[in-house]
Amino acid sequence: GQQVMQIPQYQHVQEGEDFTTYCNSSTTLSNIQWYKQRPGGHPVFLIQLVKSGEVKKQKRLTFQFGEAKKNSSLHITATQTTDVGTYFCAGPYSGAGSYQLTFGKGTKLSVIP
Amino acid sequence: DGGITQSPKYLFRKEGQNVTLSCEQNLNHDAMYWYRQDPGQGLRLIYYSQIVNDFQKGDIAEGYSVSREKKESFPLTVTSAQKNPTAFYLCASSIAGTGHNQPQHFGDGTRLSIL
Repeated sequence: GQQVMQIPQYQHVQEGEDFTTYCNSSTTLSNIQWYKQRPGGHPVFLIQLVKSGEVKKQKRLTFQFGEAKKNSSLHITATQTTDVGTYFCAGPYSGAGSYQLTFGKGTKLSVIP
Repeated sequence: DGGITQSPKYLFRKEGQNVTLSCEQNLNHDAMYWYRQDPGQGLRLIYYSQIVNDFQKGDIAEGYSVSREKKESFPLTVTSAQKNPTAFYLCASSIAGTGHNQPQHFGDGTRLSIL
């Protein structure tokens, strides 16, 4: 399947600082999803972006989909210890009409209180 | 309360042994998936199924087998041919709609280790 590249792999921030993770694809994505996995837990769906240039917010989390639909970002404002975990982006596995997902390797966020 | 149940939570395999990981869902989802997660590797797709009695290989299917005899159930067998089975295994399900991908719902996972 096609790949989505995610950076950085790790991020350590002081509580209250902002955090951003980026997801990039070499091909156009019909949509992109974001998931969060708490330590010792399982991935939980956060949001899906479909439209070019789309921006969605969930409290302190802001999700963006690039104009070319090849990249996406997740920004957390004023991190809290509850934000700790690994954030994954996921795009279509291969080609149009594919219902499977291919996941990025994730960004592991640590928040220092 | 709808969800996905994986069992067991922890599993140990001896050399040359096949082991089966259970995944059951009561979300009435058509599509089910198995992923393997290793540290720093993200989630890699092992097998997926869109409908009963049909399933497809993912990126790392070698050494694994699945069945889909019931809509609710998608068990994964880790065979002795899988030489490095130690990992966290996650089962997921989703609506198998057309158009854009559907959100996937994950079970709590099974941690498999070699004895």
